[in-house]
Amino acid sequence: DAKTTQPNSMESNEEEPVHLPCNHSTISGTDYIHWYRQLPSQGPEYVIHGLTSNVNNRMASLAIAEDRKSSTLILHRATLRDAAVYYCILREYNFNKFYFGSGTKLNVKP
Amino acid sequence: GAVVSQHPSRVICKSGTSVKIECRSLDFQATTMFWYRQFPKQSLMLMATSNEGSKATYEQGVEKDKFLINHASLTLSTLTVTSAHPEDSSFYICSARDGQIPTNTEAFFGQGTRLTVV
Repeated sequence: DAKTTQPNSMESNEEEPVHLPCNHSTISGTDYIHWYRQLPSQGPEYVIHGLTSNVNNRMASLAIAEDRKSSTLILHRATLRDAAVYYCILREYNFNKFYFGSGTKLNVKP
Repeated sequence: GAVVSQHPSRVICKSGTSVKIECRSLDFQATTMFWYRQFPKQSLMLMATSNEGSKATYEQGVEKDKFLINHASLTLSTLTVTSAHPEDSSFYICSARDGQIPTNTEAFFGQGTRLTVV
C-alpha cells in the first residue's frame, strides 16, 4: 500500500480558505487519490477523489500536482463544522481497500 | 450518498463474553464490506475484508478466530468479537461500496461502534 504524508495538525480562521497538503511520492500511475474526513466519534465521510486532473465538488476542490507526487485539498471557506481529521488515502485501481495514514487534524477558529 | 448503518452504536460487555456488531448497507447492495478498528487518538486500522458468500480475508496480525466475520447477504456483514478482553475495547467501523456500480470508487462508512470491555 502506497504511503501518504500529511502534517499532524493545521489551524484556520472561520470563513477563510484552507489548503491541506498531502505528499505521496511513491504513487503509481493507477492509484486514485481519495480524501475523507472524520469528526469525533463518527465514521469517516467522503470528501473528494481524483486521478490526474483537478476536481471540484460542493464540499471541496482537489488540486493534483503534475507529477502526482503531491495533492492539496482546498476548503474554500472554512466553517466550524469543517473541524475534523482529514485523511489523504491512495487506492489502487480496481482494488477496494483503503489504508488510512495519520491524517491532519484541522482546527477552525471563530 | 449511500447509507451504511452500524448497530449497536455503543456496547459494554464483560470480559470473556462475545459481542456481535452489525453493518448494513441500507440502499445499495454491497458485495464487499470492510472492518476497521480505531484506538483513541489513532488512525483507522483495516482489520479484514468481508466478502458476500465467502470467507473473509484478514490483514496481517489480525486473529481470525478472535474476530469472526460473516457476510451472509448483500446488505449485512457482522463482526463478532469472541472472548472479549479489555484490550479489545476500541471504536469499530465498517465500510462498504456499491457493487452494482462498476465505476463507483467511493467507500461509505458506518457511524462506528464503541466497544468497552469491563
